[in-house]
Amino acid sequence: AQRVTQPEKLLSVFKGAPVELKCNYSYSGSPELFWYVQYSRQRLQLLLRHISRESIKGFTADLNKGETSFHLKKPFAQEEDSAMYYCALTPETSGSRLTFGEGTQLTVNP
Amino acid sequence: DTGVSQDPRHKITKRGQNVTFRCDPISEHNRLYWYRQTLGQGPEFLTYFQNEAQLEKSRLLSDRFSAERPKGSFSTLEIQRTEQGDSAMYLCASSLDNLAGYGYTFGSGTRLTVV
Repeated sequence: AQRVTQPEKLLSVFKGAPVELKCNYSYSGSPELFWYVQYSRQRLQLLLRHISRESIKGFTADLNKGETSFHLKKPFAQEEDSAMYYCALTPETSGSRLTFGEGTQLTVNP
Repeated sequence: DTGVSQDPRHKITKRGQNVTFRCDPISEHNRLYWYRQTLGQGPEFLTYFQNEAQLEKSRLLSDRFSAERPKGSFSTLEIQRTEQGDSAMYLCASSLDNLAGYGYTFGSGTRLTVV
């Protein structure tokens, strides 16, 4: 069975500081990995997916299969980045259920 | 198309009562998913449909839970004989076939409180 772990429930940084939200996973095959974000009073929405190797709102995430990690990074945090962030995984061959981590609440202070 | 819609937004019910939630997915999405989220946790998978067929159910989906998608469009999730442990946010999402490429689009959820 697959599992996603986000070791930090809360993360607080100052505006302009680098930020890294950690995500580790356990899965024996080749997973597809995603980061979802939920801003205050908004619905859960896709931030980025590893398959596309994109940068969204300055965030990037690299899949490290050796360390089974998919950490989310941004070099200069902004106040509007304050939100709940969830890492999620789906087995490559499944295409059905997503397994989510417990989430990290990011607060960017002015 | 306004995205994935869920109704109602909030539901308060007494223990033992039955409740039903509705989800309207994005019209061209053939897959529809139900998740449950409790405080401090990430969403947990309950079940999913491809068109009208229910293809997978989680062990979290006890016999008191039933979901339908009769015409491959909207879906309903019914909980019978509600218990306090059912209190949670129930999320619906939809996607095209290739989930791995595109991810889900979520609705705003239905918050259930069982008193």
